[in-house]
Amino acid sequence: QSVLTQPPSASGTPGQRVTVSCSGSSSNIGGNTVNWYQQLPGTAPKLLIHDTNQRPSGVPDRFSASKSGTSASLDISGLQSEDEAVYYCGVYDDTLNGPVFGGGTRLTVL
Amino acid sequence: QMQLQESGPGLVKPSETLSLTCTVSGDSISGSLYYWGWVRQAPGKTLEWIGSVFYFGTPYYNSSLASRATISVDTSKNLFSLSLHSVTAADTAVYYCARDLRYTSSSIFDHWGHGILVTVSS
Repeated sequence: QSVLTQPPSASGTPGQRVTVSCSGSSSNIGGNTVNWYQQLPGTAPKLLIHDTNQRPSGVPDRFSASKSGTSASLDISGLQSEDEAVYYCGVYDDTLNGPVFGGGTRLTVL
Repeated sequence: QMQLQESGPGLVKPSETLSLTCTVSGDSISGSLYYWGWVRQAPGKTLEWIGSVFYFGTPYYNSSLASRATISVDTSKNLFSLSLHSVTAADTAVYYCARDLRYTSSSIFDHWGHGILVTVSS
C-alpha cells in the first residue's frame, strides 16, 4: 500500500488532454514539492516534473503539473502515442524521513 | 552527459547478501552537491527508495530496510555500492541507482541507471 494514492489507469485518444492525480497527506504533498516520473515500457523511470511544476530541459511543454493542499496532478495535453507509460508521483515524506512514490498510473493512448 | 551503470549478480540465494555497484560517468561523486541513491521496483510494483548517500557523511535509509541495507561510496573509482543482507524472495526486483538532488524535505532523482534485475532464489 503506497503512501501516495494514484488511480491505477487512465486513457485518452491522440490529441486529448489527460490528468493523472496523486493524493497524499500533510506530511508529504501538503508540505513539500512534488515530482513526477515517466516510465516507458521496459525502461528506467525518467524525471518529468520536479518541484511541483518545473520541467527539466527537454521535456515538452505538453506536460504540466500543479498541487493543491494534499493532492497533486499531472496534465498531459495533445496526447501522443509515445506518451503511453506509467506515471509516478514522488514526494519527500517528513514522517518517514525519505522519498515515497505513488502506486503509478498506467496511461493508455487509445 | 552523465551516466550511471549498475552491475552485480543477477541471482542471489535466500539468506545471502545482495551486492550491487553503480559506476558514475560524466559527473564526479566527490565533486558535486548531489546525493547518490538506490531505488528498487519489484515485478509489477511501484518504486521503493532504499537509501541515499553523500560522498562523505552518514547515508540515509528507508526505515523498512535500514537494518539490512548498507550504502557506501568509493570516490577513487567514482562509484557507490549497495549491500542488502539476509535477502528473501521479497527482495526480488529491478534495482536502479540514481542521482539524488536532496535538500530540506525534498529528494529529486534526476538521472537513473538502466536498472539490474536481481532474483532471489535457490
